[in-house]
Amino acid sequence: QVQLVESGGGLVKPGGSLRLSCVASGFSFSDHYMSWLRQAPGKGLEWVSYIRSRSENIYYADSVKGRFTLSRDNDKNSLYLQMNSLRVEDTAVYYCVRGPGGAAFDMWGQGTKVTVSS
Amino acid sequence: EIVMTQSPATLSVSPGERATLSCRASQSVNSNLAWYQQKPGQAPRLLIYGASTRATGIPARFSGSGSGTDFTLTISRLQSEDFAVYFCQQYNYWYTFGQGTKLEIK
Repeated sequence: QVQLVESGGGLVKPGGSLRLSCVASGFSFSDHYMSWLRQAPGKGLEWVSYIRSRSENIYYADSVKGRFTLSRDNDKNSLYLQMNSLRVEDTAVYYCVRGPGGAAFDMWGQGTKVTVSS
Repeated sequence: EIVMTQSPATLSVSPGERATLSCRASQSVNSNLAWYQQKPGQAPRLLIYGASTRATGIPARFSGSGSGTDFTLTISRLQSEDFAVYFCQQYNYWYTFGQGTKLEIK
């Protein structure tokens, strides 16, 4: 069964840190680019970051550049997002997503909720 | 940044009828356009990529068309499970999404 399962969300104060994790199963993880996208409450979708299959390149949205760090461990079929200096506007559901690829973002996890509030 | 604009914001259609959703890009995205469906409390699901190619397992009643700046998602013979929010997304230059169209039961 093809699946992405996120964890690590929670409530954190502004300026704090969180580390999100995503475990993939049912497909060859090391062959795919992987991303995090987020959706603020009642809002649309925003691409956050993606990493190439061998970690040779990593890209970030301007809104998170310098604060978030994306990494992966292909031996563990896992993707990670280290989020530092969190802001209220980072509050969102964070999705682990397969892609970008020829079929855009073709598989999504169920999401993990991050709330940044004092 | 390429801005994606969807219309209408809300579309009311009866089951069994056809729904037509529009998406416009602020500049050409060629055919690098995807459509997603999102139901309450669920993650988005890819429906269409390359403007007109159905993703794996997507029923034939979903079809996409367009290129450049103007795109359409058509759902023929609406079924109850089709009522949801639909997002378009360009991947020609980075990745941006429209604000969504809510398809509701008339």
